[in-house]
Amino acid sequence: GEDVEQSLFLSVREGDSSVINCTYTDSSSTYLYWYKQEPGAGLQLLTYIFSNMDMKQDQRLTVLLNKKDKHLSLRIADTQTGDSAIYFCAESFASGGYNKLIFGAGTRLAVHP
Amino acid sequence: DVKVTQSSRYLVKRTGEKVFLECVQDMDHENMFWYRQDPGLGLRLIYFSYDVKMKEKGDIPEGYSVSREKKERFSLILESASTNQTSMYLCASSWARHTQYFGPGTRLTVL
Repeated sequence: GEDVEQSLFLSVREGDSSVINCTYTDSSSTYLYWYKQEPGAGLQLLTYIFSNMDMKQDQRLTVLLNKKDKHLSLRIADTQTGDSAIYFCAESFASGGYNKLIFGAGTRLAVHP
Repeated sequence: DVKVTQSSRYLVKRTGEKVFLECVQDMDHENMFWYRQDPGLGLRLIYFSYDVKMKEKGDIPEGYSVSREKKERFSLILESASTNQTSMYLCASSWARHTQYFGPGTRLTVL
């Protein structure tokens, strides 16, 4: 069945790069997503990558996709305290008229001075 | 910008009460979803709706029902709340097979 795994916690120093990793099992995924959740808030779409791409860059964010190993990573350059949040990886695949999302448990990123 | 709103940010109910969680989206999306979020488990799909009055069960529908009388509004109903339904509930909407956009969430506590 489908499964998405992430490490639960990451601590980085302000100004360093953060790398959050994710592995997934379903090779029929169409898109892979990164969502950010700040304390007490809902999920905010951060970025996504189509499954036939290897990399996507968007300002401080770089997404790398290794389809062979079913590994997805999110790199945040120059990490700031405002980046402290939970980051969810999700794989999606077509299921009827919508994209079904399978989420990982989330990685809590803590940024310290 | 897509806007998904949920009627309450925090809700406290007693065991056995009937609970309604409301979600409204303003982007004319066909699809709407209800998820439950628990620590260490990520988000799990409870129900989704692909059109007015149409619904399908997700992965954990037991103890829940839904209602979609208008395209923009999707309600989650707990017929008789229990303590194991204490959780964060997130609503989302999408257009066809496109990205899902989430509301701010409702943190429900059942005493």
